[in-house]
Amino acid sequence: GAGVSQTPSNKVTEKGKYVELRCDPISGHTALYWYRQSLGQGPEFLIYFQGTGAADDSGLPNDRFFAVRPEGSVSTLKIQRTERGDSAVYLCASSLGGGQPQHFGDGTRLSIL
Amino acid sequence: SQQGEEDPQALSIQEGENATMNCSYKTSINNLQWYRQNSGRGLVHLILIRSNEREKHSGRLRVTLDTSKKSSSLLITASRAADTASYFCAARSYNTDKLIFGTGTRLQVFP
Repeated sequence: GAGVSQTPSNKVTEKGKYVELRCDPISGHTALYWYRQSLGQGPEFLIYFQGTGAADDSGLPNDRFFAVRPEGSVSTLKIQRTERGDSAVYLCASSLGGGQPQHFGDGTRLSIL
Repeated sequence: SQQGEEDPQALSIQEGENATMNCSYKTSINNLQWYRQNSGRGLVHLILIRSNEREKHSGRLRVTLDTSKKSSSLLITASRAADTASYFCAARSYNTDKLIFGTGTRLQVFP
């Protein structure tokens, strides 16, 4: 596809479980970003990758959150020991880097029961 | 929180009217971007203005930037019902590619 693809679109799980959220960026985009958006709020930065490496992970809230991008394309955001406060829409974006506009996927809506 | 502020939080207008949204941010910026979000969807980039620019136009959009006041405004002229969405400003600093988003303005345009 031409756009950023995120799977699953919805994820419901129980408190304490482990979840993985996947992002497939636009082909050729070297930069990939993860944001989290709570209802009625703007997106909140989590982490971004330039190629395979995390260039800035200052937004990860704690060590339960981890993200990888092993081949410089697809990325996975991993959340351990989920808490109800982790419920949000997780947005992924990609770009050519260098401050260029970011292209967003439709997000994964994560609900922790 | 680093998040910027936007006002108004919500705006309702009739088709054909102009809509103005304001944004204040907290950091020194390299550029400021505006995005639009339809309900349940991802964000779509609208326009980017660099820190050394004061005004920029794109179609029915006009953006201004005042770095001394750390503020920006987005004007949508001759609004249409299809412009109904949430609008966010996003600040990009010099030393990182991350965006710091504002709280958003929910725009409703009535036909």
